[in-house]
This record gives sequence, structure tokens and C-alpha cells, in this order.
Amino acid sequence: GENVEQHPSTLSVQEGDSAVIKCTYSDSASNYFPWYKQELGKGPQLIIDIRSNVGEKKDQRIAVTLNKTAKHFSLHITETQPEDSAVYFCAASNSNQFYFGTGTSLTVIP
Amino acid sequence: DGGITQSPKYLFRKEGQNVTLSCEQNLNHDAMYWYRQDPGQGLRLIYYSQIVNDFQKGDIAEGYSVSREKKESFPLTVTSAQKNPTAFYLCASTESPRGTGELFFGEGSRLTVL
Repeated sequence: GENVEQHPSTLSVQEGDSAVIKCTYSDSASNYFPWYKQELGKGPQLIIDIRSNVGEKKDQRIAVTLNKTAKHFSLHITETQPEDSAVYFCAASNSNQFYFGTGTSLTVIP
Repeated sequence: DGGITQSPKYLFRKEGQNVTLSCEQNLNHDAMYWYRQDPGQGLRLIYYSQIVNDFQKGDIAEGYSVSREKKESFPLTVTSAQKNPTAFYLCASTESPRGTGELFFGEGSRLTVL
């Protein structure tokens, strides 16, 4: 089955700096890669996603890159703000299931 | 507003008791999922259903049961056979049963076994 690894597990950045979270996957059949943001005590919410036929996608301060050959994808957050502090999960989907990374706890220091 | 509603938000259970967590969606989604979340372990799939009256076991189904009698409802029962049931449980749904569309989550239910 699919195995998704996510690094780092914790990340602290100064407000205004960039944050990068990386994930790798094992199943070359995976073709959909979403990123979720989870605030304390709440359910995860989709912030950006990318499909296997695209190498990069950007939405304002958030971008995701995908390298299918190396089987890794990354989340980039620029100009971080305190409200970006949360747990971020990557996921990979190959058919009818989603496989999640173990999460990254991001802290943005004002 | 369309979305997924989980209840209760907090639940306490004595050992040996079965409990049922409710999950209702009004998004007209075909596929529904139950995940368990423990600190440092991400989201692990318990059960999923792609269509009414059909469901499949996920990676950690032992000690859990589900039903899918209606499209909008996918309740999860945590049985007394589940050895370590204290966790945060998340229900989710997606329009496409092929797992290639956005997964919408509920707000979660936190179960504590006393």
C-alpha cells in the first residue's frame, strides 16, 4: 500500500519568513496530493491540492510543488503570519483512499 | 450551509461500553470515511463507504463497526473490543468515490474512556 512520510514534525519560523514542509510517497499510482490545515480541536481543512499532471500550483501565499519522478511534494508558505500557526497534513490518493502524513506543527512567532 | 456534522463533540465512556458516533453530511457525497487521530500518528483510516449499503475496512477496523443505510449518514460504533479507544475521531466525505476530489472533514468527536 501507499506510505506517506512528512517532515519536519515541528517547525518554528519568525513572522514574515517562509515555511517549507516536505512529503514523500511510495506508490507511483497516486495521482492526487492535497494539503490540509488543522487548527486545535477542529477538523482539517483543504488549503491547496495538486494533481499528478501538474508540477506546481500557487494560491496567494501558498504553493505546492510535485516531483513525480522522485515521488515527493512540498508545501511552501511565504510571508508567514501568526494565523498560519496550525498542524499541516499532506496526503496522497491513488483511487478510493487517502493516505496521510503524520503532520507538521507550524508555529509562527510574532 | 452544506457540510459534515459530527456529534457528540465530546464523549466519555466507561470501559466495556459500546458508543456510537454520529456523522451526517448534506453535501450529497457518495463516499464517506472515518479516521482516527492520535498525537504524532496522523490520520488512520478505520472504515470507508463508497455507496449506500456498502463499506470496507480500513487499516485499523478491529473493534469498530459502521453502517451506511442512508447516503447522508455514516455512524461509527466503538465497541468494547477496541482496546485503546481514547482518541479524536474524524468523519469525512468526498463527492468522488475514486478518491480524487476534495475530502471534507467534520469538526471531530473526542472520545475518552474512563
